[in-house]
Amino acid sequence: GIQVEQSPPDLILQEGANSTLRCNFSDSVNNLQWFHQNPWGQLINLFYIPSGTKQNGRLSATTVATERYSLLYISSSQTTDSGVYFCAAKAGADKLIFGTGTRLQVFP
Amino acid sequence: GAGVSQSPRYKVTKRGQDVALRCDPISGHVSLYWYRQALGQGPEFLTYFNYEAQQDKSGLPNDRFSAERPEGSISTLTIQRTEQRDSAMYRCASSPTGANSPLHFGNGTRLTVT
Repeated sequence: GIQVEQSPPDLILQEGANSTLRCNFSDSVNNLQWFHQNPWGQLINLFYIPSGTKQNGRLSATTVATERYSLLYISSSQTTDSGVYFCAAKAGADKLIFGTGTRLQVFP
Repeated sequence: GAGVSQSPRYKVTKRGQDVALRCDPISGHVSLYWYRQALGQGPEFLTYFNYEAQQDKSGLPNDRFSAERPEGSISTLTIQRTEQRDSAMYRCASSPTGANSPLHFGNGTRLTVT
């Protein structure tokens, strides 16, 4: 099945800083999603982005399908951005596979 | 409701007991998925359904785990003779169709086996 790797595993930022999270995947995908798991354990959809670029407020994502990677950009980070960010990918009729996540801590 | 609903939110049970976890997907969604998430790890696939048909159960760890979706809507994940290693967050997701549509996750059921 598809392999999904995320980097960095941990990220510590001061409020207001920008960051880039990376997701590499091993096969052509028909589904690529970014999620935010908040400190209360909720898994929140950020982007459905098997290809191209999308923006939602301070967050944006780009997937370069031909090179098998996706990037999540967080600008002007806030303490509420803290949590774990997961990338998940699906190839063909296979199941959605999650990466191991990037744990983000934003300090005031 | 508008989202995927899971119940109970928390379940504490004694080793050896059976538990049933419920998932109510978004209305009209064809596909329903079950995942398990251990502390500090990403969600891992258990099984999924299209309508009432179980399409893939390759992620179920052993035969104590089973799932059903008899009318193509609500699903139940059952764990028989629970063990401490079954303690985890169990997450349900649904999607409009199978292949090229996003999964929407519920808030999960936190299972603790004592």
